[in-house]
Amino acid sequence: DVKVTQSSRYLVKRTGEKVFLECVQDMDHENMFWYRQDPGLGLRLIYFSYDVKMKEKGDIPEGYSVSREKKERFSLILESASTNQTSMYLCASSLISGGDEQFFGPGTRLTVL
Amino acid sequence: GQQVMQIPQYQHVQEGEDFTTYCNSSTTLSNIQWYKQRPGGHPVFLIQLVKSGEVKKQKRLTFQFGEAKKNSSLHITATQTTDVGTYFCAGGFNKFYFGSGTKLNVKP
Repeated sequence: DVKVTQSSRYLVKRTGEKVFLECVQDMDHENMFWYRQDPGLGLRLIYFSYDVKMKEKGDIPEGYSVSREKKERFSLILESASTNQTSMYLCASSLISGGDEQFFGPGTRLTVL
Repeated sequence: GQQVMQIPQYQHVQEGEDFTTYCNSSTTLSNIQWYKQRPGGHPVFLIQLVKSGEVKKQKRLTFQFGEAKKNSSLHITATQTTDVGTYFCAGGFNKFYFGSGTKLNVKP
């Protein structure tokens, strides 16, 4: 089974802090994604990556950056956390983009105070 | 940008009743996927539809993809308490978009 793991289930940070969210997948998938999930808004794509060192902006990239130095690891960085970034963050991976099922990690509930 | 709209946002049913959620796009989709997220869990892939007019069944769940590949539906027959959760559709062409989800509550 594909396993997607995220570094923390719950995280509390202060406004202005730099926050790193880590995601690791163990199935050699090409594509990795970062979403945020807010009530009534579904899953909104922040960034995705289709190869090592490659990244593409999703629908809401402002205030975020990403890093993919190794195929299995995709990091989401909040350069200066703000209270409106309090959310559930979900990482996912898929073998190919657009037409393949995505496997999700358990999510990180981030609270920014 | 392209959006995938999903209705209803919430649905409360009595156990044994049927349930349907609908997904609509303003543009043609290359494929549509459905996911289920249990309370406190993460989205889990259910199925993918690719062909125009395609219908697929998984036990009590029936998935349809419209002829124009702009809409889709998920129908659950005779709901059970184990069906509780949020159902998401996701579709796109070059980029993939998730609907806002339908939260299903089933009363025993």
